[in-house]
Amino acid sequence: GQSLEQPSEVTAVEGAIVQINCTYQTSGFYGLSWYQQHDGGAPTFLSYNALDGLEETGRFSSFLSRSDSYGYLLLQELQMKDSASYFCAVRDGGSSYKLIFGSGTRLLVRP
Amino acid sequence: ETGVTQTPRHLVMGMTNKKSLKCEQHLGHNAMYWYKQSAKKPLELMFVYSLEERVENNSVPSRFSPECPNSSHLFLHLHTLQPEDSALYLCASSQAASGPYNEQFFGPGTRLTVL
Repeated sequence: GQSLEQPSEVTAVEGAIVQINCTYQTSGFYGLSWYQQHDGGAPTFLSYNALDGLEETGRFSSFLSRSDSYGYLLLQELQMKDSASYFCAVRDGGSSYKLIFGSGTRLLVRP
Repeated sequence: ETGVTQTPRHLVMGMTNKKSLKCEQHLGHNAMYWYKQSAKKPLELMFVYSLEERVENNSVPSRFSPECPNSSHLFLHLHTLQPEDSALYLCASSQAASGPYNEQFFGPGTRLTVL
């Protein structure tokens, strides 16, 4: 089957750095993306990695290792507003538009 | 209105009712999606439309019936639902349904409760 594994919950302190890991097992792979969802809100796109390496966008960075079927989202200088759920998603190779999502990691940022 | 909008935001219905969820995108996109989000479960893709043509029907029960009259509007018609269908139903759109990666833009969702 196809699956993505990520931790269910992570807690960190304001100003700290946190890494949310994602491992995937899919029949095809066209890239790993990350979405953020605040309680009661819509998922919003954060980043996309098609090739190995680190992509940086402000305080957020995303990393991919295709040989390890692994990626992570790195959040720096954590702010209270970063408390949300974070989902990794793989673009299914069989259907180019189909995203397979992980169950999400709930991040709680404490003062 | 900007982005992707969904109505209603909340819906409570009995198992014998018929209701419809509406999604509208104001982004000029050509692909639209319905997802189901249940607590502590991954988002489940239900349907995909590309240029008003259904390109994905992800083994969804027939009590869910999608309709895409044009590239800006998407409906999900509901009838004789079960309590386990209670969930957040999210609509999304992207520039295209194939080709280079297309970021998906999500609406705020409809929180559905089936009694």
